[in-house]
Amino acid sequence: SQTIHQWPATLVQPVGSPLSLECTVEGTSNPNLYWYRQAAGRGLQLLFYSVGIGQISSEVPQNLSASRPQDRQFILSSKKLLLSDSGFYLCAWSSGLEGNEKLFFGSGTQLSVL
Amino acid sequence: LAKTTQPISMDSYEGQEVNITCSHNNIATNDYITWYQQFPSQGPRFIIQGYKTKVTNEVASLFIPADRKSSTLSLPRVSLSDTAVYYCLGGGATNKLIFGTGTLLAVQP
Repeated sequence: SQTIHQWPATLVQPVGSPLSLECTVEGTSNPNLYWYRQAAGRGLQLLFYSVGIGQISSEVPQNLSASRPQDRQFILSSKKLLLSDSGFYLCAWSSGLEGNEKLFFGSGTQLSVL
Repeated sequence: LAKTTQPISMDSYEGQEVNITCSHNNIATNDYITWYQQFPSQGPRFIIQGYKTKVTNEVASLFIPADRKSSTLSLPRVSLSDTAVYYCLGGGATNKLIFGTGTLLAVQP
């Protein structure tokens, strides 16, 4: 069966510090991978998605970047965090053909930038 | 891009049937409609997916009319544990899977 791992679960970082969140998927190959962010009490905002190694699409201009160094590894990074980067970050992978994808989410990382 | 619209919130009582409707006027021909459930501090969880007519699983039913411009998630006999945010997605253009604001369902005893 497929599983998705995301860590850490919580993170408190000072403004201006770097960030690295990692997500790995097991039990499937060549998954589509996604990073979402959710502000408190708000919906999910799509940040990045990837259809293959080294292929990253960004949805919104921002202070963050993503990389996919291996087929089942997706990393979210920042060189210098801003207060506005605080939020709940979710990694997900999808199965199915385009149009009938099903998303499977990790447990999320609660990031607080102080 | 398939954008969806759904009510911000709904209230219900335990044991009632709850129907949440979503409109997706721009859904593409090959797009399915998928519903997710999210509890606080957790990632959304897949509930049900359909293309047209009716789909039923052990959790919910999904009704999609012939024009596919809307869909209705039906939760039979809700309990307190069904209190959550429910999202509908109308497929994804070029692998973009965009969530709307969702519907906060509050189930009262």
